[in-house]
Amino acid sequence: DGGITQSPKYLFRKEGQNVTLSCEQNLNHDAMYWYRQDPGQGLRLIYYSQIVNDFQKGDIAEGYSVSREKKESFPLTVTSAQKNPTAFYLCASSTSGRETQYFGPGTRLLVL
Amino acid sequence: QQPVQSPQAVILREGEDAVINCSSSKALYSVHWYRQKHGEAPVFLMILLKGGEQKGHDKISASFNEKKQQSSLYLTASQLSYSGTYFCGTSYRTGTASKLTFGTGTRLQVTL
Repeated sequence: DGGITQSPKYLFRKEGQNVTLSCEQNLNHDAMYWYRQDPGQGLRLIYYSQIVNDFQKGDIAEGYSVSREKKESFPLTVTSAQKNPTAFYLCASSTSGRETQYFGPGTRLLVL
Repeated sequence: QQPVQSPQAVILREGEDAVINCSSSKALYSVHWYRQKHGEAPVFLMILLKGGEQKGHDKISASFNEKKQQSSLYLTASQLSYSGTYFCGTSYRTGTASKLTFGTGTRLQVTL
């Protein structure tokens, strides 16, 4: 079955620690996205990538980093510079030339 | 610039109708509608492209008024399964990857 997978479902971060959230898709989509959702809020774009080895900052990129070494994978690292990382993180993908974005199940990040 | 959704919340009895609006201050290229259940990923409902089209399936439909830069989502004869938060995502230009900007959502609760 084609789809988007995110892992882990829950992630705990200690102060000063970097953590990496995984996002994999087997839909053969060219574009991939990372969003952050806070309670009662909409989705805010962190980073997006249109093709392999290329990515652009979204609206709230500070404290985050990404890589796109493979078409299927778009991992997000939450660095220690992100002072308020507690949120629900959603990864999405879309086909090049089409704009419908499909979302993965999300990762909930909590700070210890 | 974030689109504005209204109302922020609505409570319906099963079988009643609802309209959710999404307005932008910038010229829209497309509007995407999603529904999210608590703790889950947003699920794609439909996309409307500029041109003033109206789309729908089953009892959920949407319209796109290019002059008003507004889209409306129509839920008729609501069912309990319609409960959730509805988000509109807007894009302002074409491209191989669409950068969507999401509204803060409309919480819909359908009761017996």
